Amino acid sequence: GAVVSQHPSWVICKSGTSVKIECRSLDFQATTMFWYRQFPKQSLMLMATSNEGSKATYEQGVEKDKFLINHASLTLSTLTVTSAHPEDSSFYICSALQTPYGYTFGSGTRLTVV
Amino acid sequence: KQEVTQIPAALSVPEGENLVLNCSFTDSAIYNLQWFRQDPGKGLTSLLLIQSSQREQTSGRLNASLDKSSGRSTLYIAASQPGDSATYLCAPLNTGFQKLVFGTGTRLLVSP
Repeated sequence: GAVVSQHPSWVICKSGTSVKIECRSLDFQATTMFWYRQFPKQSLMLMATSNEGSKATYEQGVEKDKFLINHASLTLSTLTVTSAHPEDSSFYICSALQTPYGYTFGSGTRLTVV
Repeated sequence: KQEVTQIPAALSVPEGENLVLNCSFTDSAIYNLQWFRQDPGKGLTSLLLIQSSQREQTSGRLNASLDKSSGRSTLYIAASQPGDSATYLCAPLNTGFQKLVFGTGTRLLVSP
């Protein structure tokens, strides 16, 4: 089956710094990956759709300049939280689609901004 | 716009019980529907994928059914175990789109 690897699993950073989260499809090529954000005891909120070789598509209300997405290869998408603030602290999860297995999710990244 | 509702929101049962988790969605024009489980602080694990042409799928103690026309899916868990404790999410995929829409989930606690 499909495997998506996400790193780091957790990160603590100082306010004002930037943090990069990686999402890799290990045994398949993913032309499209998805980035979600999840607050405690809430469901997943789609932030953006990452397309290989082109610009990401952001959901309404998500700041594209704050959450930079790069999908430079068929197996890697990155999410960079720029100038992080405490309100950006959250759980970030990526996913990719591989037919016929459906969507596979990474293990998530817990971001804490202090 | 697809909206997904899951009932119950939370469920606490003793070990060994058979369980039914319900999922309803407003737009029946779906390509497939996927059930996931999420453990606290973890990502999502895919449990079952049902194509729109299928009525049900089974994996071990799990059985998922799909009634596309009425916008409903059910996840049946047989002989529940403490290890089944997690949040269960259903997500239909609309025809022509790639974005999953998630329900709010059912938090399941199975006590020994």
